Amino acid sequence: DARVTQTPRHKVTEMGQEVTMRCQPILGHNTVFWYRQTMMQGLELLAYFRNRAPLDDSGMPKDRFSAEMPDATLATLKIQPSEPRDSAVYFCASGLGQGGEKLFFGSGTQLSVL
Amino acid sequence: KNQVEQSPQSLIILEGKNCTLQCNYTVSPFSNLRWYKQDTGRGPVSLTIMTFSENTKSNGRYTATLDADTKQSSLHITASQLSDSASYICVVSAAHTNAGKSTFGDGTTLTVKP
Repeated sequence: DARVTQTPRHKVTEMGQEVTMRCQPILGHNTVFWYRQTMMQGLELLAYFRNRAPLDDSGMPKDRFSAEMPDATLATLKIQPSEPRDSAVYFCASGLGQGGEKLFFGSGTQLSVL
Repeated sequence: KNQVEQSPQSLIILEGKNCTLQCNYTVSPFSNLRWYKQDTGRGPVSLTIMTFSENTKSNGRYTATLDADTKQSSLHITASQLSDSASYICVVSAAHTNAGKSTFGDGTTLTVKP
């Protein structure tokens, strides 16, 4: 049963520390998305890759966030330095298409920055 | 500005009853509309996806409708079960744009009580 795998599932860290979240998209999918979900803002798009190329990261605070796809089986989202306002659930999703297609979401990484 | 508004914000129904969730959007030009179900602590799961030419699509006890003229969609749940308790998110994608910028609604939280 193909699924998007995210690690870690939970992360608690102190302000100022680096956080790295990883995502393994479904094999064969060509689009990868990173979303952040909070109670106040709902789901927000942070970054979007197609065929490993970054197409849109306008939703991401550039000074502290970075997203990469070192290869087709791994996407990473890094926060350095982390701040308490970064506390949220971060979802990775993958799909097959031009970006408006059905997406398959991972279970998310719940991040708490103290 | 592209917007997706969902109503009601929350809903409580008794097991076995039917319910209808609403989604109004201003996304233009329209490409597709998707309904997702998000269980607590999990990532969203796709229920239906509809393009401009489709006005009804079913997935088991879930039936989505689309009126592209009035820019409205509804998700009807028949014979609700306790497992239907979740957040239901409406997502609309625009055509001829960076499709990564789908517009998400804030969701309707459904609680089904025994």
